[in-house]
Amino acid sequence: DAKTTQPPSMDCAEGRAANLPCNHSTISGNEYVYWYRQIHSQGPQYIIHGLKNNETNEMASLIITEDRKSSTLILPHATLRDTAVYYCIVRVAVSIQGAQKLVFGQGTRLTINP
Amino acid sequence: KAGVTQTPRYLIKTRGQQVTLSCSPISGHRSVSWYQQTPGQGLQFLFEYFSETQRNKGNFPGRFSGRQFSNSRSEMNVSTLELGDSALYLCASGGPTEAFFGQGTRLTVV
Repeated sequence: DAKTTQPPSMDCAEGRAANLPCNHSTISGNEYVYWYRQIHSQGPQYIIHGLKNNETNEMASLIITEDRKSSTLILPHATLRDTAVYYCIVRVAVSIQGAQKLVFGQGTRLTINP
Repeated sequence: KAGVTQTPRYLIKTRGQQVTLSCSPISGHRSVSWYQQTPGQGLQFLFEYFSETQRNKGNFPGRFSGRQFSNSRSEMNVSTLELGDSALYLCASGGPTEAFFGQGTRLTVV
């Protein structure tokens, strides 16, 4: 799986949009971009994933550049509960149900300030 | 739908002992993965089981082992515990496109 690079920490004001960048310059054509977050001492939580089109769900939006070498996770209206470590992971699509081996980097520690 | 259940939540063991952790995946999921999280090394993949067979394995010594039962429940075992095995052990249940994690078992080796 391709390597990802994320800033170690970021701050964002409550109510503002939090934009978390991720570089994955060695991504292959069949690799997806996944985002997870981990709130202190809890298990990681799936947020969103995408291949090349922008994606949006109830939690966040994922913007992937046209060359797919980088992406941005957007939390549109950050709340204090969004304070967590955010992990960007690149991995191949699964062809068999549940083929799961996630390679976590150090992630970005996002702090939402009141 | 019930989430991923890990037991026990907390465990204290002595060096040299062995420990078994349990994970019950989401109903219908046949894949279970295990991860170790420490402050120094972060989240590291241990192994993955699918339909009772180990399908992927991380770079951990043979003291770390696991198995999966026919009902998809999984156990991981660590033998001859070392102080460095103190960590949060996380189990993930594999859905079609994403993994769902349990709350973890925090193991402290003294």
